[in-house]
Formats: sequence, C-alpha cells, structure tokens
Amino acid sequence: EAGVAQSPRYKIIEKRQSVAFWCNPISGHATLYWYQQILGQGPKLLIQFQNNGVVDDSQLPKDRFSAERLKGVDSTLKIQPAKLEDSAVYLCASSATVSASTDTQYFGPGTRLTVL
Amino acid sequence: SQKIEQNSEALNIQEGKTATLTCNYTNYSPAYLQWYRQDPGRGPVFLLLIRENEKEKRKERLKVTFDTTLKQSLFHITASQPADSATYLCARDTGRRALTFGSGTRLQVQP
Repeated sequence: EAGVAQSPRYKIIEKRQSVAFWCNPISGHATLYWYQQILGQGPKLLIQFQNNGVVDDSQLPKDRFSAERLKGVDSTLKIQPAKLEDSAVYLCASSATVSASTDTQYFGPGTRLTVL
Repeated sequence: SQKIEQNSEALNIQEGKTATLTCNYTNYSPAYLQWYRQDPGRGPVFLLLIRENEKEKRKERLKVTFDTTLKQSLFHITASQPADSATYLCARDTGRRALTFGSGTRLQVQP
C-alpha cells in the first residue's frame, strides 16, 4: 500500500511571499491532518478534515493559512503571506476512519519550509 | 489546556541495555496515549497505543506503561540496538478526536 505523499519536499521563500503544499493521503482514508513541526518540537495540529469537511481548525492562523480538501481526497495547505516564524516542517497525515481516538495516523515525509 | 511533557535532553545508552523514556501529562487523564518514532527528515511512525484502563502493553522489544496516579507513561526498549536511535514522541488525545504531541526525546544507542 502506498504511503502518504507530499510535495514539494523542500521550499525556500522570502517573507511575505505565498507558498502551497500538497498532500495525497493513503487511498480510502477518511481523515486527513496537517501538522506544523518547528525544529526541536513535536507536531502541532493545524487542521483536521473528515472526508472533505473541517473537523478542527482551532490552531490554524486563519489570517494567513488556508487549507482545502477537494472531493475528500487530496489536500492543499497555503500560506499567504509567509512570516519568518512559519519556517518549519509541514506534515500531512491520514487515518482510516472518522475517529482519531484510536486510529493509527500515517504520516508523510513532510515539506521543509524555510522563510528568509 | 492538556499538555504532554517529555524529557528534552537526549538519552544516551549502550547497546544491549534497556532504554526508558518518560512522558508526563497534565490535567485530566487521556483516554489513551500513543507513541511514535521519528527519524531525521521523516514523518513520525506509529509504534504503540495504550488505553487508560491498560497498565502495560508490549510489542516485540517495546513496552509501554500507563500510570494514571502519577500521570505518566513510560516507554521501554529492551536489548537496545544502534538502529533504535531516533526521536520518540508521546501523544495524547485531546477529547476532540485529535492528538497533542510532546516535544520528543532523542535516543542515541552507542555500539
């Protein structure tokens, strides 16, 4: 079974520029997550989708971050405009069912973003 | 807010010894805790889940305990190998069908 795919793997941008990340979850997985992982810290949930609906986006900085999951499959995360503190690894994960309580989350390799 | 605390200092042990990593949580007891392994440049990989009504869970050389009195989970790797060197993350449920991760503990197993 193919894992969670993410692209690009690396991105370097200037502050105030825009950037987008793409995620393709494991086929058939209902729940998709975007996490931000700053160096030396654990992943922090930004947004959680169940199929194509948002379950939790309480920690998403909505003034600059947006995400969508069209047709309940692929997802994109956008930052516009980027700030220096957005430098981090952005991880996408998926799980099979609609409950995160006991589901295993499968993570992609992440996109490392550097904002200069 | 529900917090997860892990020892941020790296743990260095000799090959063959048992590694023990600690995860402490605050506020109410989570329904479960999960442990993940993360290698440099890769996403976390799920290892074990333990529920609050389980005292102990084992998988091959891995063992996890859950002590609701101490508000603590211990993660053990027996007969450690250099290949076990990685960062280990503890995560708790938030009660809202999401996970809160600790900052992880880096384990270095010396040959």
